[in-house]
Amino acid sequence: NAGVTQTPKFRVLKTGQSMTLLCAQDMNHEYMYWYRQDPGMGLRLIHYSVGEGTTAKGEVPDGYNVSRLKKQNFLLGLESAAPSQTSVYFCASSYWGTSGRVAYNEQFFGPGTRLTVL
Amino acid sequence: QKEVEQDPGPLSVPEGAIVSLNCTYSNSAFQYFMWYRQYSRKGPELLMYTYSSGNKEDGRFTAQVDKSSKYISLFIRDSQPSDSATYLCAMTPTSGTYKYIFGTGTRLKVLA
Repeated sequence: NAGVTQTPKFRVLKTGQSMTLLCAQDMNHEYMYWYRQDPGMGLRLIHYSVGEGTTAKGEVPDGYNVSRLKKQNFLLGLESAAPSQTSVYFCASSYWGTSGRVAYNEQFFGPGTRLTVL
Repeated sequence: QKEVEQDPGPLSVPEGAIVSLNCTYSNSAFQYFMWYRQYSRKGPELLMYTYSSGNKEDGRFTAQVDKSSKYISLFIRDSQPSDSATYLCAMTPTSGTYKYIFGTGTRLKVLA
């Protein structure tokens, strides 16, 4: 199993350009997420999806759009890139597991996409 | 004030040392606590998952939760150079949510 894969690994954009980041998972997980990671800010949730055809806003959704047309794929779009969107983007997928009587949601992360907006 | 505070480090220790990594939080509703390890230029991977207060041990790793003090810890015994990574804490109020709040991460370096 490849787990969670992200395409591309690196990208440099100019202000105002658009792009799409692709996330794919082969674990048949229902839930998928997009995070951004910035120095001193930790991981912040951009958008998430609880199933095929559904999406929801996270903590920092402005300037991003997402789509989940197929269960295994979650796309993150930047319509008009800004320097403030320079970051490392992580995709994750998750399933519900149990430890004793406690249910938990383990998130598996992809390797990340390093995006620079000039 | 951030909901979750974590000392960014870096923390440098000699091989074989006991390492203590900590997070404090402000939301008393948090019930589920996780520790992730992130190697340089990689995605985070789940290390430990604990519910409510108490300790949980897994090999050289022990996770501790003190809800009365709003404080969680990860202890690493007999630390190895391969433990050099950034450690992120994460927490959530209930098991029914998919939204975790992450700490900023502590960078650990174990010197051979």
